Amino acid sequence: GQNIDQPTEMTATEGAIVQINCTYQTSGFNGLFWYQQHAGEAPTFLSYNVLDGLEEKGRFSSFLSRSKGYSYLLLKELQMKDSASYLCAVMDSNYQLIWGAGTKLIIKP
Amino acid sequence: DAMVIQNPRYQVTQFGKPVTLSCSQTLNHNVMYWYQQKSSQAPKLLFHYYDKDFNNEADTPDNFQSRRPNTSFCFLDIRSPGLGDAAMYLCATREGKIDYNEQFFGPGTRLTVL
Repeated sequence: GQNIDQPTEMTATEGAIVQINCTYQTSGFNGLFWYQQHAGEAPTFLSYNVLDGLEEKGRFSSFLSRSKGYSYLLLKELQMKDSASYLCAVMDSNYQLIWGAGTKLIIKP
Repeated sequence: DAMVIQNPRYQVTQFGKPVTLSCSQTLNHNVMYWYQQKSSQAPKLLFHYYDKDFNNEADTPDNFQSRRPNTSFCFLDIRSPGLGDAAMYLCATREGKIDYNEQFFGPGTRLTVL
């Protein structure tokens, strides 16, 4: 079966760094996406990885290891507005997204 | 700005009363998706269109139907809403001619069933 696992909830402090992990088992792999979703709103695209390694985009970075079926999203210099759910999604062999349930990130002052 | 628009943002219906949710896009993307998302859960794909080709997920209830009259518009019809259909419904689009690109989401319609 297809499976995406990520922690349900994480807490971090404003100004700190947090790493959100995602492991996956899917039928085929055409890339891994990270989306941010604020409560009651639609997901917004953060990053895409299809090759192994680190992709950096401002305060956010995303890492992929295809051999391990593993990715992480790294958020630096956390701000209160980063409080949201972070969803990991894998594009399978049919180019459909298989979604994780999301990690709710709580930022404390 | 090019975007994905969903109307209404909030919809209240009664148990068993048909309801239609709408989605429009100005991105001219050829792929459109409907997702159902319940609180603290992953989005669940209901249908998608690749141009006019309709694809129904195997576990999408028969109660849910969709129409895509043209590239810009897509509708989700819930024929007889039950209490379990209360959720956020998300419309998304993707440029299907390029495989490796992201989906763009509309703001969602939150459906309440009384």
